[in-house]
Amino acid sequence: NAGVTQTPKFQVLKTGQSMTLQCAQDMNHNSMYWYRQDPGMGLRLIYYSASEGTTDKGEVPNGYNVSRLNKREFSLRLESAAPSQTSVYFCASERGAGWTYFGPGTRLTVL
Amino acid sequence: QQQVKQSPQSLIVQKGGIPIINCAYENTAFDYFPWYQQFPGKGPALLIAIRPDVSEKKEGRFTISFNKSAKQFSLHIMDSQPGDSATYFCAASIDTGFQKLVFGTGTRLLVSP
Repeated sequence: NAGVTQTPKFQVLKTGQSMTLQCAQDMNHNSMYWYRQDPGMGLRLIYYSASEGTTDKGEVPNGYNVSRLNKREFSLRLESAAPSQTSVYFCASERGAGWTYFGPGTRLTVL
Repeated sequence: QQQVKQSPQSLIVQKGGIPIINCAYENTAFDYFPWYQQFPGKGPALLIAIRPDVSEKKEGRFTISFNKSAKQFSLHIMDSQPGDSATYFCAASIDTGFQKLVFGTGTRLLVSP
């Protein structure tokens, strides 16, 4: 049981490049989330998927898109990366009753 | 707009001390208040959580105190150990069957030996 896995662990992009962050969970959870963590700002919700087949915007969705590929996988795409998107990205899944499990994170730098 | 305000930003205590981290929220619709612990290079991990129908919850050395009228909640760590050195985040959400967590800005705790 690996929990929540994320790939890649680290990534450096140039401004304007695109990439997809991958996330998978093996706990059969319905809800999945993408957060970004910036120094002094805590974690902020980018997008979430309450159940398979649904996605919705969180607090800071601009510049991102998501795909809930199936119940296990929830990907985050940056179509045209900007330096303001330099951050640590965390995927999470929720068992219900508030039990949210976070992945190990992807550290992204946009030059 | 910061909906959950957390203080202090950093905290240093000696081993055995009782660090206290405070959070205040604005949205009275919040009905779930978890605390997360994060070690460097790792994702946050759920530590303890409380709902507004109780004023206190204990799990091991960790205690949440909740004051609904003041819209405040706090984390106490009893008999703190060097292994408790981490960043702690409070959060809040409205339980709609799934949790869109609103996080505080974090407290970096150092427990000296």
